[in-house]
Order: sequence, then structure tokens, then C-alpha cells
Amino acid sequence: GDSVTQMEGPVTLSEEAFLTINCTYTATGYPSLFWYVQYPGEGLQLLLKATKADDKGSNKGFEATYRKETTSFHLEKGSVQVSDSAVYFCALSGQAGNNRKLIWGLGTSLAVNP
Amino acid sequence: ETGVTQTPRHLVMGMTNKKSLKCEQHLGHNAMYWYKQSAKKPLELMFVYSLEERVENNSVPSRFSPECPNSSHLFLHLHTLQPEDSALYLCASSQEAGAREKLFFGSGTQLSVL
Repeated sequence: GDSVTQMEGPVTLSEEAFLTINCTYTATGYPSLFWYVQYPGEGLQLLLKATKADDKGSNKGFEATYRKETTSFHLEKGSVQVSDSAVYFCALSGQAGNNRKLIWGLGTSLAVNP
Repeated sequence: ETGVTQTPRHLVMGMTNKKSLKCEQHLGHNAMYWYKQSAKKPLELMFVYSLEERVENNSVPSRFSPECPNSSHLFLHLHTLQPEDSALYLCASSQEAGAREKLFFGSGTQLSVL
């Protein structure tokens, strides 16, 4: 069945460092791909998404490109801030019917030190 | 503030207690969800309601009983829980049940079962 694999955390970076959180997926057809973020003590929020191959999702300085050839959707940010400390979840959704269900990765914890 | 409010934020209960979790959304959405978030596991979808009708029940034990009296409110009634039920319970909503990609989450109820 469909699945999402994220790099294990925790990831610890200094402020202004470059961030990459890897996400790869297994799915039939052409899923949509998402990154959600969970700040401490809060629920998840949609960060960005991409719905077809080669699309780039972006928000708040974060970017991720839908790479069908490598079945990947890696999250990147050029210069992280302390306020980016959170848990990041990669997810996919199939195209129709029951495949519209969201399949989640385990989450990657990011800690950014000043 | 995501527009989805959950109470209580924290709950400690014994295995013989009965308690309820409450969720309210102020977004005018038609679909509401209960998720379970446990350490080292992907988010688990428990129940889905669309226009107050339960449309999905993902093999959840009967000691969890959902209730959706109207499209803005969702409850999760708990009774005779087990210690392994300790987790963060998240409520979410979306415009429609089919549009699960854009979910709005509450901050969750951290449940501890003693």
C-alpha cells in the first residue's frame, strides 16, 4: 500500500543554517504531497503542498519540489530561525475515492538554537 | 489560531472512568475528524464525520464512542480505557470530507490513562 518515509530526527541546527528534511513515498498513480508543521503545544498546520510532478510548493521560506522520478518531496529552507523549531510531517493523498485518505510520515523534530 | 478548539488540553483518567473530549470548529466546515497521535507512530485516523453523519470508522475499539450533534461540534466519549490509549487526541476539520488535504487541526487533548 501507499506509504511515506521521513528522515528520523531530531534535527538540531543553528540559526541561519540550511535545512533539508528528506521525504520519500510509495504510491500508485499520481498522489498529492504535503508538508504539515506542528509547533510546540499546537495542532498540525498545512505548510505547503504540491499536486503534480515538478510542482514546487512554498510558504514561509520553506520549499519542496514534487520529484516523481525519485519519488521524493524533500523540505528545504535556506536560513532557519528559532521560531521554526517544530515537528514536520510529510503526507500524501491519493487521487480519488478511498485513496483520498491522507497517509502520514512519522514526523521529524527540528530544534533551532540561537 | 486555526479555528478549531479542543477541550480539555490535558486529561488524566483511571481505567474505570468515563470522560469526554470536546471539539468545536468556527470555520463553517462540513467534515470533522478524530486522530490519535502516539510517539513513534504515524497519525491514526479514528473517525470521520460529514454533515453530522459518520462516514468512516477505522477499526477503533468500542471504548471510544464519537458523537457529532451538529456540523460545528464533535465529541469523543471515553470509557474503560487502557493505558495504551494514552496519547494526544487531535480533532480536525475540512471543507468537505473528500478534501482531506487541507485539514485544520485543534491543539489536541493530551490523555493519560492510569
